[in-house]
Amino acid sequence: AQTVTQSQPEMSVQEAETVTLSCTYDTSESNYYLFWYKQPPSRQMILVIRQEAYKQQNATENRFSVNFQKAAKSFSLKISDSQLGDTAMYFCAFMKVGNKLVFGAGTILRVKS
Amino acid sequence: DGGITQSPKYLFRKEGQNVTLSCEQNLNHDAMYWYRQDPGQGLRLIYYSQIVNDFQKGDIAEGYSVSREKKESFPLTVTSAQKNPTAFYLCASSINWGRETQYFGPGTRLLVL
Repeated sequence: AQTVTQSQPEMSVQEAETVTLSCTYDTSESNYYLFWYKQPPSRQMILVIRQEAYKQQNATENRFSVNFQKAAKSFSLKISDSQLGDTAMYFCAFMKVGNKLVFGAGTILRVKS
Repeated sequence: DGGITQSPKYLFRKEGQNVTLSCEQNLNHDAMYWYRQDPGQGLRLIYYSQIVNDFQKGDIAEGYSVSREKKESFPLTVTSAQKNPTAFYLCASSINWGRETQYFGPGTRLLVL
């Protein structure tokens, strides 16, 4: 079974600075998808970024980018120019093609002013 | 506006009572999902439906039931057999199963009286 590990239960960052959240996963598959979701205090789950495993280029969405290392099975999220609104729980998730979404336990990120 | 709605926002259950959580989407998505989230934890899959009139058990289906009579609707019933129902319940949908990004509703908080 696939597993997703987020080794940082909590992190904090100063406003306007950069922070990286770690995620590793375990799979023997070659074709899969990886996601980062954000859950702010409202508890709504919001998609941050998606990466297809067959694409070598790292996905980016404005201030959010990933470092996808397929051989190392690592999928970290970098948030640049952190804003107070980035304060949330961040979940890394893995999906084998044709299968369910598997979530990590989450990392609480606090952005400080 | 297209999206996923869940109601109610808060729900209280008495001992021995069945309660039903509503999930509606107008995104024309074929697949729909129910997740349970406990404090400080990731999401666990309860049930999913790949297409109307079809559904399958997820990882923690015991004590829950679902129906999928309409494409737009995927209600979840928490039965009296679910001994620890207090949790946050999230509904999601995707264009199809096992390949596309899942989008989430705002959630329902279920509390036991």
